Amino acid sequence: NAGVTQTPKFQVLKTGQSMTLQCAQDMNHNSMYWYRQDPGMGLRLIYYSASEGTTDKGEVPNGYNVSRLNKREFSLRLESAAPSQTSVYFCASSKNRVLNYGYTFGSGTRLTVV
Amino acid sequence: DQQVKQNSPSLSVQEGRISILNCDYTNSMFDYFLWYKKYPAEGPTFLISISSIKDKNEDGRFTVFLNKSAKHLSLHIVPSQPGDSAVYFCAAMHNQGGKLIFGQGTELSVKP
Repeated sequence: NAGVTQTPKFQVLKTGQSMTLQCAQDMNHNSMYWYRQDPGMGLRLIYYSASEGTTDKGEVPNGYNVSRLNKREFSLRLESAAPSQTSVYFCASSKNRVLNYGYTFGSGTRLTVV
Repeated sequence: DQQVKQNSPSLSVQEGRISILNCDYTNSMFDYFLWYKKYPAEGPTFLISISSIKDKNEDGRFTVFLNKSAKHLSLHIVPSQPGDSAVYFCAAMHNQGGKLIFGQGTELSVKP
């Protein structure tokens, strides 16, 4: 019963490098999300996917792209990393009835851009 | 524009006492509200929720109160335990198919 799995857990990038954060869920959830957590800012939504084949921008999408590869997997790509993208990234998934179950979050990826 | 605000970055409470965490929102379209708890190096975990048709929801030691006219909600933890020490996030959404907007979080410390 893995829930939401994120890889990698830690990453250090140089400015300008690219990387993809991977996320997979095994709960047959339709919706998936990417958030970033920064001190004093809480969790801010980057992109989300309400269902397989659809993606939409959240509050802070600039500098990121996403791919909903299939129902299980939702990846986040940084094409040219910047120090401002240093953050902890969380992937989440949900059933349609969010009120009863909330979102299920992964354990996060801590990214440092130097 | 912060639509969900938690104005207290931290709160310290004695074990056994009540912890009250507050949250304000600005978007009158929000009709579902959730609280999450987060330990260091872990993802947030869902704690309790309330819809706008209610003003109170209780689950064990946790109670959430909603005041729609004031656009304010609060989470009460009674009695507080050291294991409750964590960061608590308030979140809101418009309809259950929408996306959650989170507040900044309040770090609760429960002292033995």
